[in-house]
Amino acid sequence: DAKTTQPTSMDCAEGRAANLPCNHSTISGNEYVYWYRQIHSQGPQYIIHGLKNNETNEMASLIITEDRKSSTLILPHATLRDTAVYYCIVSPDTGRRALTFGSGTRLQVQP
Amino acid sequence: DVKVTQSSRYLVKRTGEKVFLECVQDMDHENMFWYRQDPGLGLRLIYFSYDVKMKEKGDIPEGYSVSREKKERFSLILESASTNQTSMYLCASTGGDRGRETQYFGPGTRLLVL
Repeated sequence: DAKTTQPTSMDCAEGRAANLPCNHSTISGNEYVYWYRQIHSQGPQYIIHGLKNNETNEMASLIITEDRKSSTLILPHATLRDTAVYYCIVSPDTGRRALTFGSGTRLQVQP
Repeated sequence: DVKVTQSSRYLVKRTGEKVFLECVQDMDHENMFWYRQDPGLGLRLIYFSYDVKMKEKGDIPEGYSVSREKKERFSLILESASTNQTSMYLCASTGGDRGRETQYFGPGTRLLVL
């Protein structure tokens, strides 16, 4: 699976949008971009994934650049409960493949 | 909503004890996984299962075994617990349209072996 690069940490004010970047310059044509997060001492939580087009669900939006070498996860109105480590993963699918998390981005939402 | 449950959130066992960690999912998923997560080492796959009575070794199966007698239940067994098995254990199952499957995780079991 392609390698990803994320900032180590970010801060965001409560109520503002949180934009978390991810670089995946070696992504292959069949690899999806997945985002998970892990709140302290809990299991990872799936957020969103996409292949080429931008995606939106009730939790977040995913913006993938046209060349697919980078993406941004957007939490439109961050709350204190969004404080977590966010992981960006690229993989052909995660149905039968183990997930490998890098170090992720530690997002701290400030009141 | 997909629900993956694990039998215990916290567990304390003694060295040499046999330990059972249970995982149940309610979405009729075929694929289930057991990971352990340690600081600085990330997620590591212990075992996974594609179907009832099927199992495959992951990256670190030594000291562990698994059982999948029913589709919804995937058990991890530590045959003789050791202190280096102190960890956070995470179960996951896979669901979604083919080609868009995602892994859903349970809350985790934090195991301490004394």
